[in-house]
Amino acid sequence: DSGVTQTPKHLITATGQRVTLRCSPRSGDLSVYWYQQSLDQGLQFLIQYYNGEERAKGNILERFSAQQFPDLHSELNLSSLELGDSALYFCASSVAVNAGELFFGEGSRLTVL
Amino acid sequence: GESVGLHLPTLSVQEGDNSIINCAYSNSASDYFIWYKQESGKGPQFIIDIRSNMDKRQGQRVTVLLNKTVKHLSLQIAATQPGDSAVYFCAHTRGAQKLVFGQGTRLTINP
Repeated sequence: DSGVTQTPKHLITATGQRVTLRCSPRSGDLSVYWYQQSLDQGLQFLIQYYNGEERAKGNILERFSAQQFPDLHSELNLSSLELGDSALYFCASSVAVNAGELFFGEGSRLTVL
Repeated sequence: GESVGLHLPTLSVQEGDNSIINCAYSNSASDYFIWYKQESGKGPQFIIDIRSNMDKRQGQRVTVLLNKTVKHLSLQIAATQPGDSAVYFCAHTRGAQKLVFGQGTRLTINP
């Protein structure tokens, strides 16, 4: 158990809809990262937050947004969903702002029908 | 641009043999490298890391080798066990904020 909690574990929705994925980092970790993993693909970095502020942005679509709240949990919002958005979405956390060892959650599997 | 890639997408080894998983990177400024293991249905788990001022680091049954001259990273797993079956990702950072992951190598253990 990495200490990172993600909900929901599975989500099935339709094209055009909007979903919110939630992440609670390990206790004491200030950085939260979001990654997307499509079938048999690598992990694509989406976005990082550190202590409530956006720190780095990767290949995140404009239809996607995220935020980190004062209690350090984070949410990833995916809107106007398309079939290609079906993937595993991982949240990871670390103590420092610079990525070192990341602790990953179990992921949220999104299926868009 | 920077990239982290893996030479082989799949690797099959006999149980008890040693496994070697390779990774190439293109950014000579990379200074920190990590290997992650992802078992089916789970998130990636940290295995071992190495900084650019080192060329070898050993853990329990695992060794990471870094060759900065040819920008190559490898993960050696000794006496491979069924529980080692997973997808292995190399990743690197360039001093800061994000990890760039390679495509992954699927390691299969044959009995």
